This record gives sequence, C-alpha cells and structure tokens, in this order.
Amino acid sequence: KQEVTQIPAALSVPEGENLVLNCSFTDSAIYNLQWFRQDPGKGLTSLLLIQSSQREQTSGRLNASLDKSSGRSTLYIAASQPGDSATYLCAVRPRGTDKLIFGTGTRLQVFP
Amino acid sequence: NAGVTQTPKFRILKIGQSMTLQCTQDMNHNYMYWYRQDPGMGLKLIYYSVGAGITDKGEVPNGYNVSRSTTEDFPLRLELAAPSQTSVYFCASTSERGVNYGYTFGSGTRLTVV
Repeated sequence: KQEVTQIPAALSVPEGENLVLNCSFTDSAIYNLQWFRQDPGKGLTSLLLIQSSQREQTSGRLNASLDKSSGRSTLYIAASQPGDSATYLCAVRPRGTDKLIFGTGTRLQVFP
Repeated sequence: NAGVTQTPKFRILKIGQSMTLQCTQDMNHNYMYWYRQDPGMGLKLIYYSVGAGITDKGEVPNGYNVSRSTTEDFPLRLELAAPSQTSVYFCASTSERGVNYGYTFGSGTRLTVV
C-alpha cells in the first residue's frame, strides 16, 4: 500500500531564507508526483507536476526534484517571502490506479 | 476558465439530515474525485469516477453516495448526516490515467454537522 509522508509537519523561517520541504513515498511505481499549496480555508493550488521519467521541475522560485528509486521528492523554495506562508502538500499517482495519494502536509510560516 | 466549481461553499446540517454537494467541471475531464480533509490531516479519497456512468469507492466511502450521469457533473450525496462527516470536501478532476496531467481542485465545501 502506497503511503506518503511529509517532514517536517511545520516550519517557521525568517524572510529571505532558502528552504527545503521533504516528501517520501513507499512504492516507486508511480505515474507522477504533484506539489500543491493550500492557503487557510482555501482549496488546493497546483504548483509543480513531475512525471516519473523526470528528475526535476522549476517554476519561478520553486524547484521540485524527484528520486523515484529512493522514494523521495523535495520542494525547494528560494528567497522565501511572507506570502509563501501556507500548507504544502505532495501527492503521488500510483501506477495501475486512478487515485492520488496525499501526504499530511508541511505548514510553512515565513515571518518578516 | 471556471475549472472545477463546487457548491455550496459552506453548510451546516443537523444530524440525520441529507444534502448533496455539487461539483461540475468544464474541462471535459473523464476522471473526477471526491476527497475529504479533516483538520491537520491529508486528503482522503471518498469516491471517484473514470467516466459517465462509472463510479468506484475510495478509502472512506461509508455514509456517502455518488452518481455520474454526465461528464461534467459529479455530485456527492450525504443521506443521514453524522458529526463524523464534519469536514472540508474537495472535488477534483484530471484528464487521463497515467498521462502527463495533474489534478485540478475545486475551492471546497466546508460542512459542519451539529
């Protein structure tokens, strides 16, 4: 059974820091991995999608990497800003299924 | 560019009442999903559908029902509301299995059962 874990559960950093959020999954047989952002009381916004054949994806200050063999993905946020404060969720789409399996998220706070 | 639209945004139900959460998408996606998110937790899959007329159970289907009569709509029905169903419900859609497409989520329905 595929399980997705995110560490740390919460993170508080000063503005300007570069930071890394971690996601691990137990079964490497996946189609893709997706990172989402969720603001309090809001829905999910897709940030980056990495296919199983890819190693990384970049969008602005965000960079997501995927190491399928070790079951790990990282989301790197450069030069963090208070507006980056949110919960970040990763999710995998296992091969042979039509489902998305979510981690429990990392709650990020960036203070001025 | 509506994407995935959920209604209502908020609802308070009394124990034993019934309601339908609406979800519609305008992207011609075949795959649609219902998730619930409890405080401090990840999302759990309730039901999903791979096309009109086809539905299947997810991890936590008890107490819910779904139907998929059209590609666009995927309503979620609560028949006898219980306090354990207090949660935020998200509808999502995607185009094809295994292809290079991510998921699009609605903005959620916050349900409280009292």
